[in-house]
Amino acid sequence: QKEVEQNSGPLSVPEGAIASLNCTYSDRGSQSFFWYRQYSGKSPELIMFIYSNGDKEDGRFTAQLNKASQYVSLLIRDSQPSDSATYLCAVTGSSASKIIFGSGTRLSIRP
Amino acid sequence: NAGVTQTPKFQVLKTGQSMTLQCAQDMNHNSMYWYRQDPGMGLRLIYYSASEGTTDKGEVPNGYNVSRLNKREFSLRLESAAPSQTSVYFCASSEAPGGHQPQHFGDGTRLSIL
Repeated sequence: QKEVEQNSGPLSVPEGAIASLNCTYSDRGSQSFFWYRQYSGKSPELIMFIYSNGDKEDGRFTAQLNKASQYVSLLIRDSQPSDSATYLCAVTGSSASKIIFGSGTRLSIRP
Repeated sequence: NAGVTQTPKFQVLKTGQSMTLQCAQDMNHNSMYWYRQDPGMGLRLIYYSASEGTTDKGEVPNGYNVSRLNKREFSLRLESAAPSQTSVYFCASSEAPGGHQPQHFGDGTRLSIL
């Protein structure tokens, strides 16, 4: 079992709809959770981070964390073509020494 | 506002050649990291430096060495390049050591080993 798992996609969502990206992790003691966006041929850029159970909103983005079920999700409201990218989930394990990245979900927003 | 700067951006090597990838950050961050990214495998940590003067192995350190030259600079060296090291290499930095702080990435070095 991978430490951080994501569906590779592609996930196709119509413009204006809500895109929902999911991530599960294996270390029950994980403490910090990050979402990065990576455009093709570019470097990852941080979108959101969340430390506590529940929802955290920032503009069109909402991160949701459920530690009991060991999953974290990212919702993108009013999806735009510019949201088309690969989204990487990253998790800090209980040792807190480093971040583990998932392999990413490719999101495509169709006009 | 440079952030994390990596050089070179592209490089082609022959098997057995050596080279050093350079990374510098201007954010006064304490921790720095080297990752490689291969298709379908996400980012894998090669080495990291929690603070100036310290380095530690990550998930895939074999075939690489690193040097934390000072607080700003963290280099990655391939002593004898192999085709399996063809990849995109990213340097990143964070304000504090450990995994609780977000990481900021450079633009990457695209390395091909023939």
